[in-house]
Amino acid sequence: NAGVMQNPRHLVRRRGQEARLRCSPMKGHSHVYWYRQLPEEGLKFMVYLQKENIIDESGMPKERFSAEFPKEGPSILRIQQVVRGDSAAYFCASSPTGGDIGYTFGSGTRLTVV
Amino acid sequence: QKEVEQDPGPLSVPEGAIVSLNCTYSNSAFQYFMWYRQYSRKGPELLMYTYSSGNKEDGRFTAQVDKSSKYISLFIRDSQPSDSATYLCAMSANAGKSTFGDGTTLTVKP
Repeated sequence: NAGVMQNPRHLVRRRGQEARLRCSPMKGHSHVYWYRQLPEEGLKFMVYLQKENIIDESGMPKERFSAEFPKEGPSILRIQQVVRGDSAAYFCASSPTGGDIGYTFGSGTRLTVV
Repeated sequence: QKEVEQDPGPLSVPEGAIVSLNCTYSNSAFQYFMWYRQYSRKGPELLMYTYSSGNKEDGRFTAQVDKSSKYISLFIRDSQPSDSATYLCAMSANAGKSTFGDGTTLTVKP
């Protein structure tokens, strides 16, 4: 059981570039959640997806950020035209169904914008 | 004002001490309450969850929820150096989106 796999673990982007963060949920899990953790802060909800559907994107910034969870393959969090303020740890979590309490988190992708 | 406020710490205790970690919240709709442990440079790991008010015990860990006071606690008995980590409380109104506290960093000294 490989757990929730996130890659890359570390990503460095220059201002204005695009960042793509990938998340493969645990086997048998069809619900994916993305959270962002700024230095010295807790996790902030971004988006909740089920296969091919966005269930709740109330935490996503209105511009530059998008997420998908296709029928095949990992979930992708995409940040266009990155700015320094996007530097953070991005965590993905998964659960078997939408009714589960608590998630299994991946180890995160640490994005640094230079 | 944040929906979830967590005692900021940091907290440093000797091995064997009882540790109390606390969060308050303002959203009356929260009915699921979780505690996660996060080691440095790792993802959070779910420790315990409770539904509504009451206590739940799991080994050395006890979670308490008082919905009337909007206050939750995690107690760690006989603390060990391996318990040194950041502890995050989290809450949700229903399954799906959770709201996290900012975390309390605990150090247990041998």
